[in-house]
Amino acid sequence: NAGVTQTPKFRILKIGQSMTLQCAQDMNHNYMYWYRQDPGMGLKLIYYSVGAGITDKGEVPNGYNVSRSTTEDFPLRLELAAPSQTSVYFCASSHLKGGTGELFFGEGSRLTVL
Amino acid sequence: DQQVKQNSPSLSVQEGRISILNCDYTNSMFDYFLWYKKYPAEGPTFLISISSIKDKNEDGRFTVFLNKSAKHLSLHIVPSQPGDSAVYFCAASRHNYGQNFVFGPGTRLSVLP
Repeated sequence: NAGVTQTPKFRILKIGQSMTLQCAQDMNHNYMYWYRQDPGMGLKLIYYSVGAGITDKGEVPNGYNVSRSTTEDFPLRLELAAPSQTSVYFCASSHLKGGTGELFFGEGSRLTVL
Repeated sequence: DQQVKQNSPSLSVQEGRISILNCDYTNSMFDYFLWYKKYPAEGPTFLISISSIKDKNEDGRFTVFLNKSAKHLSLHIVPSQPGDSAVYFCAASRHNYGQNFVFGPGTRLSVLP
């Protein structure tokens, strides 16, 4: 049972480079999310999607873009990487809408921008 | 401005004793609360939740208590086991309002054998 799969698990970027973090879920969940976790902080929502073709900004969207062409996939694009984007990124999915129910998380992607 | 606070960064408890993890929130509109457990190099996993219409929810060794007037919730683990050693996150949301779960910074629990 794969659940939520994130790739890559680790990546080092130079300032100004771009990359895409991949996220896929096999639970047929409509709701998908990208969070980032900085040391000593809670997870902060970057972007979310309520279904294929529909995305919306979360709390900290600047410097990121997302797309949702299928129910299964929700990639996160970093454009012009900056040291402030050094963080651990978690993708999650959810069956229920409206801030209820549980989130299923991937294992995380640790990104370092030097 | 942290809307969800976990003021104890870490907690150590002896195996078999009770672990109590605390969480405070500032937004009175929050009406749904969850606890997640996270092991190193893994994603958070859902542990237990509580709606604001309740003041207690139990699931095996885990019980969550909600005090709405104090904007405080706590997670009790009885008895604590070494496998419970992890970081615990409290999260809050507004029912049927957007998709944003607000997470606290986490408390690292160490259960000593």
